[in-house]
Amino acid sequence: GIQVEQSPPDLILQEGANSTLRCNFSDSVNNLQWFHQNPWGQLINLFYIPSGTKQNGRLSATTVATERYSLLYISSSQTTDSGVYFCAVERISNTGKLIFGQGTTLQVKP
Amino acid sequence: DSGVTQTPKHLITATGQRVTLRCSPRSGDLSVYWYQQSLDQGLQFLIQYYNGEERAKGNILERFSAQQFPDLHSELNLSSLELGDSALYFCASSRQGSGNTIYFGEGSWLTVV
Repeated sequence: GIQVEQSPPDLILQEGANSTLRCNFSDSVNNLQWFHQNPWGQLINLFYIPSGTKQNGRLSATTVATERYSLLYISSSQTTDSGVYFCAVERISNTGKLIFGQGTTLQVKP
Repeated sequence: DSGVTQTPKHLITATGQRVTLRCSPRSGDLSVYWYQQSLDQGLQFLIQYYNGEERAKGNILERFSAQQFPDLHSELNLSSLELGDSALYFCASSRQGSGNTIYFGEGSWLTVV
């Protein structure tokens, strides 16, 4: 099956710093989503981004489908950004199910 | 609020017991997915239904079963529970069967003691 690798596995930032999270995937996809799992366990949709670039406030994401990777940028980080960030992909010609990476655990210190 | 509703939010039960987790998808969504999140396995896809029919199966144990009803809500049944079944169970939904945004509910925390 398709492999999804996220890096780094762990990240500690000082409040106000910027960061880039990476997601590599091993096959062509027709869906890629970024999620933030907060300390209460909720999985929050950040982006639906099978290709191209999107921005939402301090967050932006870029997916280069031909090179099979996606990047999530967090600027001016805040303590509320702490949690686990997941990348999940749906393989082309598949049923719609998302395959998740192992996540990047982000801790933002005040 | 994603619009996907899961009940119960928390559940504690004993080994050998059976529980049912319930999910109401977002209005208009035809596809429902179930995922299990445990510390050692991460987020694992269990099963998908589309408009009442099973569409895909993942790492779902034989002790587990699911169904999607005509009103599109879904239930995940977990039986002969073991300690290792303790996990966070997510339901998710999407408009179509593939290639569109999937929205997750808040999850059901299951603890087996």
